[in-house]
Amino acid sequence: AQSVTQPDIHITVSEGASLELRCNYSYGATPYLFWYVQSPGQGLQLLLKYFSGDTLVQGIKGFEAEFKRSQSSFNLRKPSVHWSDAAEYFCAVESYGNKLVFGAGTILRVKS
Amino acid sequence: DAGITQSPRHKVTETGTPVTLRCHQTENHRYMYWYRQDPGHGLRLIHYSYGVKDTDKGEVSDGYSVSRSKTEDFLLTLESATSSQTSVYFCAISGERDIYEQYFGPGTRLTVT
Repeated sequence: AQSVTQPDIHITVSEGASLELRCNYSYGATPYLFWYVQSPGQGLQLLLKYFSGDTLVQGIKGFEAEFKRSQSSFNLRKPSVHWSDAAEYFCAVESYGNKLVFGAGTILRVKS
Repeated sequence: DAGITQSPRHKVTETGTPVTLRCHQTENHRYMYWYRQDPGHGLRLIHYSYGVKDTDKGEVSDGYSVSRSKTEDFLLTLESATSSQTSVYFCAISGERDIYEQYFGPGTRLTVT
């Protein structure tokens, strides 16, 4: 069965520093992969998605993610974090029947 | 933003009482989903719908039922609420063109005492 692992429950980054959030997936073929962000008290918003082609995908708010088949990873990156990026981030992988399987999430804290 | 509303946004109820949560969309999307969000578990799928009157179970469907009598509304019912169903519930929708690209509602915080 498909699964997603986000190894880091919490990450703290200084404002202006770079960010990388890790995501590993389990899937039999090349999957569709997603990153969502959830601000406190809000629903989830799609940041970016990977379906095929270029393994480096750009998303909203200056985020990017790189698909690495050999490592079964889809890590999220941002070169310079802003205080408004503090939120919870979820990685997701497609599952049969038009469904998504989500990771447990990583809470990002930004310190000034 | 996708037109998705959830009602109520907050509810406190007692163990053993029935509860119905409503998801309403104005996007005419075919697919609708109910998730619950709990710390350390991310989002887990409860039920989903792939059309009017067409629904199926997700990974945590026990104790929940759903109904979809028209495209825009997807109801989640807890027949007899238990404390383990205290959670934040999210509705999501997706269209036929981008099936896996889901758009989420604002959530309903349910507390069962």
